Amino acid sequence: NAGVTQTPKFRILKIGQSMTLQCTQDMNHNYMYWYRQDPGMGLKLIYYSVGAGITDKGEVPNGYNVSRSTTEDFPLRLELAAPSQTSVYFCASSSGGRYTETQYFGPGTRLLVL
Amino acid sequence: GQQVMQIPQYQHVQEGEDFTTYCNSSTTLSNIQWYKQRPGGHPVFLIQLVKSGEVKKQKRLTFQFGEAKKNSSLHITATQTTDVGTYFCAGGSSNTGKLIFGQGTTLQVKP
Repeated sequence: NAGVTQTPKFRILKIGQSMTLQCTQDMNHNYMYWYRQDPGMGLKLIYYSVGAGITDKGEVPNGYNVSRSTTEDFPLRLELAAPSQTSVYFCASSSGGRYTETQYFGPGTRLLVL
Repeated sequence: GQQVMQIPQYQHVQEGEDFTTYCNSSTTLSNIQWYKQRPGGHPVFLIQLVKSGEVKKQKRLTFQFGEAKKNSSLHITATQTTDVGTYFCAGGSSNTGKLIFGQGTTLQVKP
């Protein structure tokens, strides 16, 4: 199993550009998550999904959108990139409930907005 | 709202010294998870504690969950250079249905 994979690994965007961060898991997990990690700030939940077709906001959803059309894929969309969105983005998945199950993280996408 | 605070933010130790990071929640937790993130890597699950006063060990790592289920600690005995990284606690709550990550403690080990 590849686990959780993310593409791209690194991206530079100009202010106002849009992009989609891809996330795929092959563990048949129902729950998927998007986090952003800023230096010294830990992991902040952006959006999560409890299954195909169901998504919900996390702590810091503004400026982002998600969709979950399949169990495997959970892309994160940035519509109008801003410097404040410079961060490392991690996708994660878990087999069950949000707060009791182990979360498996992807390798991350480093995003720089200039 | 639910908050999870972790201290210290950074710790530099000499190889062979012990290290402890502390995690404190503003609310009673259902469970606590610990993750390790190597430099340039992604968080990797270490362990989960669910019972009041629970203590678990993994080789040189000792994890504790407080009696009131509002705090936890990770203690590393005789640190090695392979212990370098950021250690995150994450507190889960059945009331909120959330798992909230602490800010992490970054450990540097001087050989």
